[in-house]
Amino acid sequence: EAGVTQFPSHSVIEKGQTVTLRCDPISGHDNLYWYRRVMGKEIKFLLHFVKESKQDESGMPNNRFLAERTGGTYSTLKVQPAELEDSGVYFCASSQDPYASSYNEQFFGPGTRLTVL
Amino acid sequence: AQKVTQAQTEISVVEKEDVTLDCVYETRDTTYYLFWYKQPPSGELVFLIRRNSFDEQNEISGRYSWNFQKSTSSFNFTITASQVVDSAVYFCALSDFMIKAAGNKLTFGGGTRVLVKP
Repeated sequence: EAGVTQFPSHSVIEKGQTVTLRCDPISGHDNLYWYRRVMGKEIKFLLHFVKESKQDESGMPNNRFLAERTGGTYSTLKVQPAELEDSGVYFCASSQDPYASSYNEQFFGPGTRLTVL
Repeated sequence: AQKVTQAQTEISVVEKEDVTLDCVYETRDTTYYLFWYKQPPSGELVFLIRRNSFDEQNEISGRYSWNFQKSTSSFNFTITASQVVDSAVYFCALSDFMIKAAGNKLTFGGGTRVLVKP
């Protein structure tokens, strides 16, 4: 079974440009999470989808970030316009059933390393 | 608010030495989950262990062992007889215990880079 995949693996852009990151969760997983690690610091939660709905976007840093999950399958995270402080590694994770009676393990993708020059 | 602190940013050991990674957490919840993840050079986060807050029994899995002490809010991780393949960044994390549609977002520590030299 394929794991969580993310594209691209690495993106280098200039300040002010737009970048779109993609995450494909494990098939059948309704929960999808975005996290990021900036400047070697802790990994921080950005937002959580249940299917196509944003359940919690309390971690989104500002309105330059837009996440979508149309159709409840893959998700995109767009940064527009990118700033220097957006550089970091963006992780996506998925888990199975938001209404399960037991804990749903989050499975992480390899991350997208974003460099803003 | 939840917080996880990994005071050691980097640890360097020689192969076969033991290495212990410290993790201290803060939460107002009385029940919660604690985790350890490994990030090898390939980049993905690999799940290692999850513990419930009401289960303080220490756990051993091969060369890995975990010491959970609720009284000191610590969840330390020991690698016994380290190997070069253990070189990675290790993250401690915390989440709510309640199962809810809002999900169980993880609060991570800053990570500890472990370098095992041959």
